[in-house]
Amino acid sequence: QVQLVQSATEMKKPGASVKVSCTTSGYTFTSYHITWVRQAPGQGLEWLGRISTYTGDTSYAPKFQGRVTMTTDRSTKTAYMELTGLRSDDSAVYFCARRRESTFYFDYWGQGTLVTVSS
Amino acid sequence: QSALAQPASVSGSPGQSITMSCTGTTSDVGGYNVVSWYQKYPDKAPKLIIFEDTKRPSGVSNRFSGFKSGNTASLTISGLQDEDEADYYCCSYAGSSTWVFGGGTKLTVL
Repeated sequence: QVQLVQSATEMKKPGASVKVSCTTSGYTFTSYHITWVRQAPGQGLEWLGRISTYTGDTSYAPKFQGRVTMTTDRSTKTAYMELTGLRSDDSAVYFCARRRESTFYFDYWGQGTLVTVSS
Repeated sequence: QSALAQPASVSGSPGQSITMSCTGTTSDVGGYNVVSWYQKYPDKAPKLIIFEDTKRPSGVSNRFSGFKSGNTASLTISGLQDEDEADYYCCSYAGSSTWVFGGGTKLTVL
């Protein structure tokens, strides 16, 4: 069955970086893009960006451009999202989700990774 | 890239129908036929319930239906059940390989 399993909770200090992983199974990795979405406490969902697992091409929300980097490792079928220059308002649950090429919706999601930024 | 506009909350009694809206612009909702809707419970991952404005994934109850007119999409839930109490988010492609979510609507089943 399709699974996206994310890395564990992270606690970081302001200014640090965090790298969240999303390990996939149960489908052809390179047939689906990986998107990253976050939800801050009491807030809605926010789209961070996406990566093509086939080409490595990325696109990021303007708000995160310059602070976020998305990568993949085809050998382990894992996607990564790194966010630098962490601030307290980056505290959120970060989700990965898959999207089939040429479609525009996210059909399977990871369980979420809580990132807490605090001094 | 502004969030799509959704009402903060809607409510209804069991068995009733409710409709929630999702308003964007011609650059997102109105420009593409690809609005999707997600149901989200606290501390759970979002679940896809509507895609391409009106389509339901396999396994999703036919009590959920989507509609779109111009820059506004809507989600209707008929025959409300207690288990429908959750947050609902719309999402649209916004061009240039970017997406935008709505602010979310909290559904309360009275």
